[in-house]
Amino acid sequence: NAGVTQTPKFQVLKTGQSMTLQCAQDMNHNSMYWYRQDPGMGLRLIYYSASEGTTDKGEVPNGYNVSRLNKREFSLRLESAAPSQTSVYFCASIPGTGHQRNTEAFFGQGTRLTVV
Amino acid sequence: EDQVTQSPEALRLQEGESSSLNCSYTVSGLRGLFWYRQDPGKGPEFLFTLYSAGEEKEKERLKATLTKKESFLHITAPKPEDSATYLCAVRSSGSARQLTFGSGTQLTVLP
Repeated sequence: NAGVTQTPKFQVLKTGQSMTLQCAQDMNHNSMYWYRQDPGMGLRLIYYSASEGTTDKGEVPNGYNVSRLNKREFSLRLESAAPSQTSVYFCASIPGTGHQRNTEAFFGQGTRLTVV
Repeated sequence: EDQVTQSPEALRLQEGESSSLNCSYTVSGLRGLFWYRQDPGKGPEFLFTLYSAGEEKEKERLKATLTKKESFLHITAPKPEDSATYLCAVRSSGSARQLTFGSGTQLTVLP
């Protein structure tokens, strides 16, 4: 019963390097999300995908791109990493599109990214 | 724009000392207020959803309540294993596909 799985768990990048954070869910959920969590700032939405084939910007999308590869997988790409992108990244999924009740989000364990 | 403010930022309690965490919110049409627990190095874990003023939900030593402007998470006779960061989030009709989170309350329960 894996739920939401994120890889990698830890990553150190040099400024300017690129990388892709992977997320997969096995709960047949429609909507998937990428958040970043910084000390004292809570979780902030980067991008989300309400269904396969659609993506939308959240609160802090600059410097990121996403791909909803299929219903299970939603990846986050940093094309040219910057120290300001040092953070903990969480992927989440919910069953519906957000308009229904009982749509609590299920979170992965996080990816701790450091950009030096 | 939806806003969520949690207080206090940090709370230290003795084992058995009951207290409450506050979550104040401003939304355009509440479609759900969510409480999560987050342990160090882990992702948030869902606790409760509240939908309308006056609603209450309980789970073990935790009880969540909701008014039109705020929610409280009451912790009765806490134990050290209740130590965690508690996050509050809202979903509104203006942004039904998104959760807006507060910055959390870090709770420490001392034995």
